[in-house]
Amino acid sequence: EAAVTQSPRNKVTVTGGNVTLSCRQTNSHNYMYWYRQDTGHGLRLIHYSYGAGNLQIGDVPDGYKATRTTQEDFFLLLELASPSQTSLYFCAIGGARQDTQYFGPGTRLLVL
Amino acid sequence: QQKVQQSPESLIVPEGGMASLNCTSSDRNVDYFWWYRQHSGKSPKMLMSIFSNGEKEEGRFTVHLNKASLHTSLHIRDSQPSDSALYLCAASKASGSWQLIFGSGTQLTVMP
Repeated sequence: EAAVTQSPRNKVTVTGGNVTLSCRQTNSHNYMYWYRQDTGHGLRLIHYSYGAGNLQIGDVPDGYKATRTTQEDFFLLLELASPSQTSLYFCAIGGARQDTQYFGPGTRLLVL
Repeated sequence: QQKVQQSPESLIVPEGGMASLNCTSSDRNVDYFWWYRQHSGKSPKMLMSIFSNGEKEEGRFTVHLNKASLHTSLHIRDSQPSDSALYLCAASKASGSWQLIFGSGTQLTVMP
């Protein structure tokens, strides 16, 4: 089974603060995704990547940057955090189009 | 507006009963459907996928797909308290962007 780790698992910051969320996979799946999950909205895609150095924009990208430094590592950056970005963030990995996506354990972010 | 609509938002069934969950896509270009299950405090895990018209059964779980109406349904027979979870439907396209579009989910509670 695919292994996806995320760090930190919990994070508290203040409005205007800088936050970096990390995701690492131990497989070699090409695709990595960042989602946010909020009650009533399900999972919404922020950014995704199909390989090192590649970045694709998702459905809710405003206020977020992302970078895929290696096949294994994908980062989500909030450079000026706002309370509206308080959420549960999941990283996921996947292969070909019909492949299952595997989710990491999630990072709970609170922006005060 | 959510492109993947799920109903009902919440569902309570007695232990041993049948749970029926529905999902419809408003995007006519989708081809593949997934059902993910998310227990409280955990990450989503793929439960079943269906890509062709018809029915697919795995143990107590049956999924139906009608591609003409872009409607899929998940049926859980002999429901157990351990089935209590958020059930997320997701859809994706056969061409173009590889992203999954998730619905907002159905919260299932199985009462002992």
